[in-house]
Amino acid sequence: GAVVSQHPSRVICKSGTSVKIECRSLDFQATTMFWYRQFPKKSLMLMATSNEGSKATYEQGVEKDKFLINHASLTLSTLTVTSAHPEDSSFYICSARQRLNTEAFFGQGTRLTVV
Amino acid sequence: KNQVEQSPQSLIILEGKNCTLQCNYTVSPFSNLRWYKQDTGRGPVSLTIMTFSENTKSNGRYTATLDADTKQSSLHITASQLSDSASYICVVTSYNFNKFYFGSGTKLNVKP
Repeated sequence: GAVVSQHPSRVICKSGTSVKIECRSLDFQATTMFWYRQFPKKSLMLMATSNEGSKATYEQGVEKDKFLINHASLTLSTLTVTSAHPEDSSFYICSARQRLNTEAFFGQGTRLTVV
Repeated sequence: KNQVEQSPQSLIILEGKNCTLQCNYTVSPFSNLRWYKQDTGRGPVSLTIMTFSENTKSNGRYTATLDADTKQSSLHITASQLSDSASYICVVTSYNFNKFYFGSGTKLNVKP
């Protein structure tokens, strides 16, 4: 299957700082990328959907000013957690899809710990 | 309301044994159903994908079934191995807007 790479795989940051997570599609062009959050022992929760070149669509309850998403190219989307707090500590996963009705492939996830 | 429910929540089996995981959904209109394997601390990896007209799909020791009439799917794992220990997630895609609906997963633990 296609390869989606997330970076970093783990990050620890201080409360109040911002952290950026990258999601890259390595061997295909992704018109749509999805960002998920996963709490321990829970399934993935969709945070936002981003289409290349346009603003992300956020799910209800997700603060767009807190979780900034940029999808500036067909192979890269970034999620920036701004002014991070300990409650933002979680596992963040992206997935990328080449076009509508094609499979979405997942990145390996990023474990964020805010101290 | 579009929902995906999986059972059991967790399962412990001995190495070499078979097991079956269940997925019931109410997502409509239906586009496809996927089973994913997620190792701890990793992203999900696709095992099988089935559309409305497909009843069964195999991937090595993994066999998925789909009954679109009753809106049920199962994932059967044959001759389990220690490396099968993971969470298995059922994901149903709706035809409208291509939205994904995730089950809460079944945590499988294969013991020697």
